[in-house]
Amino acid sequence: DSGVTQTPKHLITATGQRVTLRCSPRSGDLSVYWYQQSLDQGLQFLIQYYNGEERAKGNILERFSAQQFPDLHSELNLSSLELGDSALYFCASSVDRGAQYFGPGTRLLVL
Amino acid sequence: KNQVEQSPQSLIILEGKNCTLQCNYTVSPFSNLRWYKQDTGRGPVSLTIMTFSENTKSNGRYTATLDADTKQSSLHITASQLSDSASYICVVSEAGGSYIPTFGRGTSLIVHP
Repeated sequence: DSGVTQTPKHLITATGQRVTLRCSPRSGDLSVYWYQQSLDQGLQFLIQYYNGEERAKGNILERFSAQQFPDLHSELNLSSLELGDSALYFCASSVDRGAQYFGPGTRLLVL
Repeated sequence: KNQVEQSPQSLIILEGKNCTLQCNYTVSPFSNLRWYKQDTGRGPVSLTIMTFSENTKSNGRYTATLDADTKQSSLHITASQLSDSASYICVVSEAGGSYIPTFGRGTSLIVHP
């Protein structure tokens, strides 16, 4: 158990819909990262937050957005969902630039 | 463009044997390199992290090496066990004000009894 929690574990929705994925980092970790992992792409870095502020942005689509709240939990919002958005979404946390601890992931299926 | 290439793509070995996984990168400027182990359907778990000045780092039966001049790293697994069956991912971070990691696509290792 990494100490990072993600909800929900599984999510099935339809194209065009909007979903919110939630992540709670390890106690004391200020950085939260979001990743997408699909079968043919491997792990793709989406975005990082540090203590509530966006720090780095990767290959995140404009339909996706994220935020980190004052209690340091983070949410990833995916809108206008497409079939290709089906993937595992991981959240990770770290103290700063140290080792990242990954959550168990949310498996999203868009039908 | 920053890239991380891993080889082989997949590997099958017998229990008890050793194996070495390779990682080549073009990330610049270099900050650090991490190896992760990812069991199917689960989040990656960090095995080792190395900075520019570190050549070798061990974590139990896992030993990672780094050659920053040739931009190559390897992960050596000694006396493999069935539980080593997983995907091993090399991740290289860029130095600078922001943190932007580049992930390799991983090596899928299967250990047979």
